[in-house]
Amino acid sequence: QKEVEQNSGPLSVPEGAIASLNCTYSDRGSQSFFWYRQYSGKSPELIMFIYSNGDKEDGRFTAQLNKASQYVSLLIRDSQPSDSATYLCAPQQGDMRFGAGTRLTVKP
Amino acid sequence: GAVVSQHPSWVICKSGTSVKIECRSLDFQATTMFWYRQFPKQSLMLMATSNEGSKATYEQGVEKDKFLINHASLTLSTLTVTSAHPEDSSFYICSASVPSGRGRNTGELFFGEGSRLTVL
Repeated sequence: QKEVEQNSGPLSVPEGAIASLNCTYSDRGSQSFFWYRQYSGKSPELIMFIYSNGDKEDGRFTAQLNKASQYVSLLIRDSQPSDSATYLCAPQQGDMRFGAGTRLTVKP
Repeated sequence: GAVVSQHPSWVICKSGTSVKIECRSLDFQATTMFWYRQFPKQSLMLMATSNEGSKATYEQGVEKDKFLINHASLTLSTLTVTSAHPEDSSFYICSASVPSGRGRNTGELFFGEGSRLTVL
């Protein structure tokens, strides 16, 4: 059973819109999560870490964690074409395997 | 943040030859490193977990005799693709997790730049 499930997309939003990326998880023991961003042809990089219920904001990015419903999401406000990438969520103490992630395209 | 450096970034080799890819943690000691492979438009696939001073743990379906992993020091792990064939052409990425200081890794992965292998 996969640790997390994401809608692989592709998700397409117009420039300036809010992009909403969602991730559900099955292990209630998972307490904290990472969001990674991977540009095409590049390695992933960490963009957010969330460990408590509620929202965590960093610039245009907001991570949301709902432990009761077992989902974690990433909102990107004022989406830019440079946000076009694949976004991966992963539990902090996971098995280091990744799913397909969600491919986001922001159209100018 | 921690820095992981991978070399070479690009490599082209002839079929049947071997290629070595190096992964270095530059500013921290990595007791564990991870090797991934990614084909175009596909997800990252974990190949193996590299443990300093011991044998690597390979994922199911990954041939240990073909993908040799050596983690001889706390800052260097190498992946050698032996007798490479065109189907081994892929993007290989290493990563390491930074120790939290309590004997556990933080879980955050720092990735190398990746190595794109093309086998002719």
